[in-house]
Amino acid sequence: DGGITQSPKYLFRKEGQNVTLSCEQNLNHDAMYWYRQDPGQGLRLIYYSQIVNDFQKGDIAEGYSVSREKKESFPLTVTSAQKNPTAFYLCASSILRQNEKLFFGSGTQLSVL
Amino acid sequence: AQKITQTQPGMFVQEKEAVTLDCTYDTSDPSYGLFWYKQPSSGEMIFLIYQGSYDQQNATEGRYSLNFQKARKSANLVISASQLGDSAMYFCAMRGIMEYGNKLVFGAGTILRVKS
Repeated sequence: DGGITQSPKYLFRKEGQNVTLSCEQNLNHDAMYWYRQDPGQGLRLIYYSQIVNDFQKGDIAEGYSVSREKKESFPLTVTSAQKNPTAFYLCASSILRQNEKLFFGSGTQLSVL
Repeated sequence: AQKITQTQPGMFVQEKEAVTLDCTYDTSDPSYGLFWYKQPSSGEMIFLIYQGSYDQQNATEGRYSLNFQKARKSANLVISASQLGDSAMYFCAMRGIMEYGNKLVFGAGTILRVKS
């Protein structure tokens, strides 16, 4: 079945450590997105990519990095510069048309040890 | 800047009754799309309904309908015959091409609780 796979479901980060969240899609979508969700809050855009080897910062990119070496994959690295990384992270993908919905993965809960 | 406002942090509705979740938006894009998503406690995001800015009729999908008032810049979600399984967080979102580079911008969400 086509869809978006995020892993791991739960992730723990130690002080000063970089961690990478995986996002893979087999929907052949050009666009991929990373959102952060804090408890009881809406989704805020971290990074997005509309084509391989290109990506743009969203509203809260500081302390995060991404790569888009393959169409299917859009990993997110939470660096040690992100001082408050505890949140629920959602990856999404879509066709690049304004009437197209985003398909979401099941999310990764990141917590700080 | 593109912006979505959901003014109701939380709502209660009696089972089998209808409920309206409010959403207003602001954009300078002449063409845009409006979306509603449901997020149950499991965290997954479930697409509910879509309305295009040039659509002449309000969108409907089963028990969901979108009350689109373009001049007032509102896109309220109406859920008819509420069920216990409708208890979740609901997000309104907008996607335009010119102003925000085809990204989907979300509101803060409304928590809906259905009472039996």
